[in-house]
Amino acid sequence: NAGVTQTPKFQVLKTGQSMTLQCAQDMNHEYMSWYRQDPGMGLRLIHYSVGAGITDQGEVPNGYNVSRSTTEDFPLRLLSAAPSQTSVYFCASSATARPETQYFGPGTRLLVL
Amino acid sequence: GQQVMQIPQYQHVQEGEDFTTYCNSSTTLSNIQWYKQRPGGHPVFLIQLVKSGEVKKQKRLTFQFGEAKKNSSLHITATQTTDVGTYFCAGHNNDMRFGAGTRLTVKP
Repeated sequence: NAGVTQTPKFQVLKTGQSMTLQCAQDMNHEYMSWYRQDPGMGLRLIHYSVGAGITDQGEVPNGYNVSRSTTEDFPLRLLSAAPSQTSVYFCASSATARPETQYFGPGTRLLVL
Repeated sequence: GQQVMQIPQYQHVQEGEDFTTYCNSSTTLSNIQWYKQRPGGHPVFLIQLVKSGEVKKQKRLTFQFGEAKKNSSLHITATQTTDVGTYFCAGHNNDMRFGAGTRLTVKP
């Protein structure tokens, strides 16, 4: 199993550009989520999904969209990038929506100029 | 809304000394998780505590969940250089909220 994979590893965007961060898991996990990590602020939940076709907002959803068309994939879309979205983004998955072990991907480091 | 506070922000110890990080929630939690993140890496799940007053041990690591289920601690006995990293707690109520983390450095 590859676990949780994320692409790209690094990305530089200009203000106003859009892009999609990819996340995939091969563990048949129901629950997937996106976090952003900023210095001194820990990880903050952006969006999450409890299964294919179901998504919901987390703590900091503004400026981001998600969809879950398959169990495996959970892409995160930045509609119009802003410097405030410069961060490290982690995707995570767990077997069910019940609180249990979350497996994190390697992260995407995003810089918005 | 729910807030999870973690102290200290940084801790530098001599190898062999003990280390403790504390986590406090503004609301009662259904459970709490602990993660470790090595520099440049991703968070790795360590443990989950569910019951009031629960204590769990993993070798030199001891995890506690408070009686009121609003606070938790992670204690490392006799730190080693391999313990270096940032330790996060994550409290779950309606959703998962992470503490800001405690960054541990260990001097050989």
